[in-house]
Amino acid sequence: AQSVTQLGSHVSVSEGALVLLRCNYSSSVPPYLFWYVQYPNQGLQLLLKYTTGATLVKGINGFEAEFKKSETSFHLTKPSAHMSDAAEYFCAVQAGGADGLTFGKGTHLIIQP
Amino acid sequence: DAGVIQSPRHEVTEMGQEVTLRCKPISGHNSLFWYRQTMMRGLELLIYFNNNVPIDDSGMPEDRFSAKMPNASFSTLKIQPSEPRDSAVYFCASSSAAGGADTEAFFGQGTRLTVV
Repeated sequence: AQSVTQLGSHVSVSEGALVLLRCNYSSSVPPYLFWYVQYPNQGLQLLLKYTTGATLVKGINGFEAEFKKSETSFHLTKPSAHMSDAAEYFCAVQAGGADGLTFGKGTHLIIQP
Repeated sequence: DAGVIQSPRHEVTEMGQEVTLRCKPISGHNSLFWYRQTMMRGLELLIYFNNNVPIDDSGMPEDRFSAKMPNASFSTLKIQPSEPRDSAVYFCASSSAAGGADTEAFFGQGTRLTVV
């Protein structure tokens, strides 16, 4: 079974500041890990994913995440926040890519001008 | 490709009525997923299909919920009878691989269901 914990239902940062959204997972098999973004009244859009290989993965819009097996974490970062980054962010885990996704509760990112 | 297409985008119905949500996956994708999103429970996987065959329906909340995929280009999620607690946003997603490093699920815009 898989589970995802996202620390902080709301995160507020100033425009231009570092964005850090935390995600810890639990999986009985080597996981595939994902970050999705959801804008109001929209579906989910994939930001980035880790399946195998390099543990630091880069995604769209300047986001990146690092898979740390020893910490069972997959935190999402962006060096400099932009107003357009304000959205809901979801971390998700998948068992080996064959099953559906198990999502965290989401983190609402607020960008202060 | 137009992406995953869901209809309707919004549905308001009275308690006890039958509701049918529709999904057209991306052409060529062989996996299809139905999710439900609520404030209380977040995003939950309801059921998924591989090659039109239901693989795991353990997330379907009750017998009032049923899903079908009669062919590779169409799926339905039916609620009969509907209840106010079924109010949520229902997402359909599709992917091109039943496993593998290239797996990526593409989501539709969702159907916002309100049961009054």
